[in-house]
Amino acid sequence: AQKITQTQPGMFVQEKEAVTLDCTYDTSDQSYGLFWYKQPSSGEMIFLIYQGSYDEQNATEGRYSLNFQKARKSANLVISASQLGDSAMYFCAIASGGSYIPTFGRGTSLIVHP
Amino acid sequence: EADIYQTPRYLVIGTGKKITLECSQTMGHDKMYWYQQDPGMELHLIHYSYGVNSTEKGDLSSESTVSRIRTEHFPLTLESARPSHTSQYLCATAGVNTEAFFGQGTRLTVV
Repeated sequence: AQKITQTQPGMFVQEKEAVTLDCTYDTSDQSYGLFWYKQPSSGEMIFLIYQGSYDEQNATEGRYSLNFQKARKSANLVISASQLGDSAMYFCAIASGGSYIPTFGRGTSLIVHP
Repeated sequence: EADIYQTPRYLVIGTGKKITLECSQTMGHDKMYWYQQDPGMELHLIHYSYGVNSTEKGDLSSESTVSRIRTEHFPLTLESARPSHTSQYLCATAGVNTEAFFGQGTRLTVV
């Protein structure tokens, strides 16, 4: 079984500042992938960043980086230099085992203030 | 440019009607998924497929059914819609051990 926990229902950040969205996971598999998605109010799911369980370096994609701490089973998303367009729901997900089907957390609503 | 397409984008329909939500992908992926999501809530897996003629039920019990006759097509059908089926339905596809790519979703309202 695999599980994602996102404990922050809502987060607020000032424009141009950095923000960290928390994600902890649980899985019995040694090989797994961790993903972050952004969901704007329009409803589509936009893939942001991926971290493999065997990756030694933290993943980065532009303003997004993933703070991967394997021993603590955490995979926090860091958004640098927040923009108004970053306001959205953010979902952490895990896929592991032979099926590799993503399981999602409850999400965090991020609001960026001007 | 989207490689996975869902239609319709929005649907309002009366109780008891039969509906089919369409999902097509041009990525050539074998894996396809249907998730159900209430507003502001997490995604729940309702169906998945590993390829043609392969369909399985997901973690969340659903009265819907799916079919996979062609690799690129994974439609979801509700034989008799009810207000409790009101939700957003998200279709996704994935390669081997890769991220899932989502369609734009279908927002279904049953009145």
